[in-house]
Formats: sequence, structure tokens, C-alpha cells
Amino acid sequence: DAGITQSPRHKVTETGTPVTLRCHQTENHRYMYWYRQDPGHGLRLIHYSYGVKDTDKGEVSDGYSVSRSKTEDFLLTLESATSSQTSVYFCAIADRVSGTDTQYFGPGTRLTVL
Amino acid sequence: DAKTTQPNSMESNEEEPVHLPCNHSTISGTDYIHWYRQLPSQGPEYVIHGLTSNVNNRMASLAIAEDRKSSTLILHRATLRDAAVYYCIRTARNNDMRFGAGTRLTVKP
Repeated sequence: DAGITQSPRHKVTETGTPVTLRCHQTENHRYMYWYRQDPGHGLRLIHYSYGVKDTDKGEVSDGYSVSRSKTEDFLLTLESATSSQTSVYFCAIADRVSGTDTQYFGPGTRLTVL
Repeated sequence: DAKTTQPNSMESNEEEPVHLPCNHSTISGTDYIHWYRQLPSQGPEYVIHGLTSNVNNRMASLAIAEDRKSSTLILHRATLRDAAVYYCIRTARNNDMRFGAGTRLTVKP
């Protein structure tokens, strides 16, 4: 299994509070991703990183920011959490194989915003 | 639309082969086809990927149509542990992966 951990694994917070989720990898992979998964929507890409301090927006980036100051860590921040951000968040890392990047996913963080 | 089309659900009997179809009629010539699966309460797990030729690995086989507008994931002998949601994804060169709702596979003993 790819060495990916996410913390915390579960979090309950209140509307309006800031929240930071952490993804940590031990594989030294260049690419890292944050997805959210909601019932009926599959996984949707929030932000991704293609190197230290290099990030870009995904399909559903509004209300989220990210930072990557080290290869191994990718942080997802909700500046002011809303109930619509209640979801399961998955981090993924990727290494190029045969001309494409196969992604490996972490165990997920279940976030509840009350 | 970058997403693919898959049946919502399929059933299989244990120890029988399973063929999971995927339609990607608008795929471009440089898009890869990835398959992932997600077991309950876990993150997605890589299964297999391909570009033009059929591919085999220890988990499954991937059969890609000659026109690349469709593909089929083949599990040669389904086990109860294969019960999961299976996602077929087109992957562009920039690695933009768009997950659809997938196919929920039920394996009956």
C-alpha cells in the first residue's frame, strides 16, 4: 500500500470555524490531490499540486485553499466552514507510470459541519 | 463531457467471471482509461489502466474496443471481497480525472 495518511480521520466542527485537513505521504511522489465525495456524486477534485508551492484548482475549489510547503505534506483549508462542506475528503498521490499518473488514495477524513 | 457511462449496478455469483462495461464515446486519442474500485468506508483503489491494447494484471483484465469508445473490466473469478463500486475514468494528459457514479458490484455467495 502507498504510504498515505490523513489527519484527522474524523472531525465535527461548527459553521464559520476554520478547518485544516492534512495529507502526508512517504512515497516522495510529485503530484498530490484533494477530493471530496458526496452521495450520488462520486469523487470531485478540489485542488491539486504538481510540486512544492505549485498548486491549481479543480472542479469544486470554491471555499477551499491549499498549501504545499514540503513534498510530503499537502494541506486543505476551509477558511470558514459551511454545512455544504460536510463530506468525506480523500487525498491522493500520483507517480508517473507508462505515460500517465496512477493515483493512490488515502483512507479519507469524514468532516461534519454543524 | 469528460465523464464515462457505466451501469449503476451489477450482480455476480461468487467464483464466476464478471464483465463490467464502460462507454467513453468522446475519448480523445491521448486519454488513458483507468479503473478504480472503492470498498465500503475506504478510499478508491487502483485496479488497472490502458491506452489502446488489452491489459492484464494480478487483479483484473482490461479489454479496450478497437475504436476506443468503450472498454470492459474483467474479473476472472469474483469473490465476496470484490464487492465494491467500480469506477471507469478517462484520464487526460494533465491527469485530470473525472469520477462518475460508478457501478456497484454485488457478489452473491
